[in-house]
Amino acid sequence: NAGVTQTPKFRVLKTGQSMTLLCAQDMNHEYMYWYRQDPGMGLRLIHYSVGEGTTAKGEVPDGYNVSRLKKQNFLLGLESAAPSQTSVYFCASTIPRLAGGSHANEQFFGPGTRLTVL
Amino acid sequence: DAKTTQPPSMDCAEGRAANLPCNHSTISGNEYVYWYRQIHSQGPQYIIHGLKNNETNEMASLIITEDRKSSTLILPHATLRDTAVYYCIVRIPLSGSARQLTFGSGTQLTVLP
Repeated sequence: NAGVTQTPKFRVLKTGQSMTLLCAQDMNHEYMYWYRQDPGMGLRLIHYSVGEGTTAKGEVPDGYNVSRLKKQNFLLGLESAAPSQTSVYFCASTIPRLAGGSHANEQFFGPGTRLTVL
Repeated sequence: DAKTTQPPSMDCAEGRAANLPCNHSTISGNEYVYWYRQIHSQGPQYIIHGLKNNETNEMASLIITEDRKSSTLILPHATLRDTAVYYCIVRIPLSGSARQLTFGSGTQLTVLP
């Protein structure tokens, strides 16, 4: 079980370039998430997906697009990178499970992608 | 949405118990308290969660006050590898049954040899 993997681990872009970050999970999880973490700060949700073929906006979606064509993969795209998108990007996945009669989620995180936009 | 308040930093001697507090005075009745930690440059790691009862697993114990306005994460025998930022999180509902984890600044725990 590889868990949650992210590709690439590091990337340097020039302003205006595009790229796609890939997140893959082998745990058959329904829900997947993309977060960004800026230096010294907590994580902020960019987009998320509650199932194959569905996506939704999180707290900071501007400048990003996502796709969930397969259950195990969640792609994050930057169409025209900007220096403000320099950050560490984390992907996470989860499956709801019952705890005391109510749903409770434990999110599994990938190792992160460190992106620098010059 | 319930906010959480944690001290920015704490130290703990290796082998001793580390007690990390969290205030969440506006928590609603069906919101869970989650604890995650993030070791430098790695992805966050789930530790434990609870609703109103005390919980224990192989990593830690979670003590939630009766009024649910605060909680304490206990690492019973801290090791140097427990040095990390610890996040106390209250879940916020999203669409469907998805749950957003709102990460604040957390507590930097440093375990000293």
